[in-house]
Amino acid sequence: VIWMTQSPSLLSASTGDRVTISCRMSQGISSYLAWYQQKPGKAPELLIYAASTLQSGVPSRFSGSGSGTDFTLTISCLQSEDFATYYCQQYYSFPPIFGGGTKVEIK
Amino acid sequence: EVQLVESGGGLVQSGGSLRLSCAASGFTFSSYAMSWVRQAPGKGLEWVSAISGSGGSTYYADSVKGRFTISRDNPKNTLYLQMNSLRAEDTAVYYCAKSSGKGPSGVGGLNDAFDIWGQGTMVTVSS
Repeated sequence: VIWMTQSPSLLSASTGDRVTISCRMSQGISSYLAWYQQKPGKAPELLIYAASTLQSGVPSRFSGSGSGTDFTLTISCLQSEDFATYYCQQYYSFPPIFGGGTKVEIK
Repeated sequence: EVQLVESGGGLVQSGGSLRLSCAASGFTFSSYAMSWVRQAPGKGLEWVSAISGSGGSTYYADSVKGRFTISRDNPKNTLYLQMNSLRAEDTAVYYCAKSSGKGPSGVGGLNDAFDIWGQGTMVTVSS
């Protein structure tokens, strides 16, 4: 079983800030990593797959990077609608596993 | 429009049963693996179960193995989750999710990101 460490669990930021969220794996997963955004009371939405490919319709201020064991989600200029919880998910091996989540809150 | 709509959640006593349904539309349902993912109140996401496009292969998290059964009716474009011997720790919002087809095994593969999610259905198990 692959272990995932997502950090930080809570991130306080202001509109316009650049923020980064990290996801670290216990073993290499190539680029089989996805990032999701979830707003309160809503289902998760896929933002990025294959570590760095933006899902259709996702704003370009979101970007992903990394391969192997270390991955990063970056929001280049935080907008009000980006305050949410973000999850990483590995799909290199079965079963799929999600990170613990990062809540991005208003500072 | 690609869409998943869950139903069947509710309040049930410990030891009871529920059957969740997920109606799919807007894509070739039988081509894609499907999963159930749950989220306990205030907690993160937990994968629960998956089924191949044909329905011939099924997989479960250890926490539900032997109690939950996933199935699908491809002509009806519907996914199911039969939940028996429910426990308080099964209390969660249950989402159905479509595999994106962009995983290492391509369309139909089980190792995959989830590109479409339903709105979720709440299951509450009272002890």
